[in-house]
Amino acid sequence: NAGVMQNPRHLVRRRGQEARLRCSPMKGHSHVYWYRQLPEEGLKFMVYLQKENIIDESGMPKERFSAEFPKEGPSILRIQQVVRGDSAAYFCASSPRAGGPEETQYFGPGTRLLVL
Amino acid sequence: QQQVKQSPQSLIVQKGGISIINCAYENTAFDYFPWYQQFPGKGPALLIAIRPDVSEKKEGRFTISFNKSAKQFSLHIMDSQPGDSATYFCAASIAQAGTALIFGKGTTLSVSS
Repeated sequence: NAGVMQNPRHLVRRRGQEARLRCSPMKGHSHVYWYRQLPEEGLKFMVYLQKENIIDESGMPKERFSAEFPKEGPSILRIQQVVRGDSAAYFCASSPRAGGPEETQYFGPGTRLLVL
Repeated sequence: QQQVKQSPQSLIVQKGGISIINCAYENTAFDYFPWYQQFPGKGPALLIAIRPDVSEKKEGRFTISFNKSAKQFSLHIMDSQPGDSATYFCAASIAQAGTALIFGKGTTLSVSS
């Protein structure tokens, strides 16, 4: 059973370009969470999605950032017009359901974004 | 009220010693407290988790102690090994509501051989 998959693992963008990060949850998992980790810091929640729905985006910056989890295919975190402060590791986590004993979140290997 | 405070920031332990990492929270609605282990360049991996209806949970060399009244929980690593050298994060969530995890800032553990 494959774990959470993220690609690309490393992404280099110049200021003003777009970054698109992909996350394929574990098989059977329909809940996806995106977190951002800045150097020497813990993970900060960004957005929580279920298939075709954004459940909680309270951690997302109001501008330039968007996320989706379509009926088919991976979840996408999109950052438009990237700035140097967007440089970070972005992690995706999935869980089979929300609430109860099955809510454990399993993390992918992350995408390390570097903005030049 | 959503914060999880973790200490110490870094920890050096001799091989075979006990590593202890502490976390404190404020939101009494939290009902799920996992610990994650992260190696450089990797994603966090779930180590062990506890719910507030028990005061201790042990899995191998790893033990979580939970003090509901003090709103504190800690990770104990017995017989620490060089392979345990990693960054450890505590976290908390309202699992019943499916909320996101709130993470502590992490503890970098170094076990000397």
